[in-house]
Amino acid sequence: EDQVTQSPEALRLQEGESSSLNCSYTVSGLRGLFWYRQDPGKGPEFLFTLYSAGEEKEKERLKATLTKKESFLHITAPKPEDSATYLCAVQRYQAGTALIFGKGTTLSVSS
Amino acid sequence: DVKVTQSSRYLVKRTGEKVFLECVQDMDHENMFWYRQDPGLGLRLIYFSYDVKMKEKGDIPEGYSVSREKKERFSLILESASTNQTSMYLCAGGTGSNQPQHFGDGTRLSIL
Repeated sequence: EDQVTQSPEALRLQEGESSSLNCSYTVSGLRGLFWYRQDPGKGPEFLFTLYSAGEEKEKERLKATLTKKESFLHITAPKPEDSATYLCAVQRYQAGTALIFGKGTTLSVSS
Repeated sequence: DVKVTQSSRYLVKRTGEKVFLECVQDMDHENMFWYRQDPGLGLRLIYFSYDVKMKEKGDIPEGYSVSREKKERFSLILESASTNQTSMYLCAGGTGSNQPQHFGDGTRLSIL
C-alpha cells in the first residue's frame, strides 16, 4: 500500500537551533514529492517540488532534499515565524495528479 | 498569484441537511480537488475533477458528491449531513502532472 510517513509529529526548537524534518514514502512510481507549510486556520501553502533522487531546493532558511526512500526538510537557524505545520505529499505515476499526504510535523520555534 | 477561494470559512448545519461547499479558482486550470483534514488523519482526498463535468472518486467519497458545471467552480455536496462529516474541508486547484496544487483557506464545517 502506498503511504507517506512524517516524523517527528511535533518538534520544539529554540530560535537559531537548526534541525531536520523527515518524510519517508513507500509508493510504486514516484512522479514528484511536494512540501507545504500550513499555518493555523489556513490552507497549505506550497513550498517545494522534488522530482528525482539527489535533487535539492532552497528557500530562505529551508532546504529540501530527496532520496529514493525519503525527503528531508532542513531548517537552518529558525525564527519564531517559521512555526507552522509542515506537510509532505507524493504524486504517483499511475494515479494522475492526486496526492497522498503525510500527517505533518508541527514545528514550534521559541525566542 | 494563483487564487483559490472557498465561499465560507465557517459553517454550522444540522444532521440530515443537504450541504453545499463552493470553491472558485482563477487559474484557468483544469484540475480541482476536495480534501478533508482531521486531527491525526491528515488530508484525505474526497473527489477530484480533471475537466468540466468530469469527476473521479478519491479515497473517501462515501456520503459526498461533486459538481463541476464551469471550469472555475467545483462544488462539494453532502447529500445528508452526518456528525462524522464535521471537519475542515479544503479545496485545491492545479495544472497537470508534476505541478503543485494550490489550496484555499478551508471551510470548517460543524454538523450538529
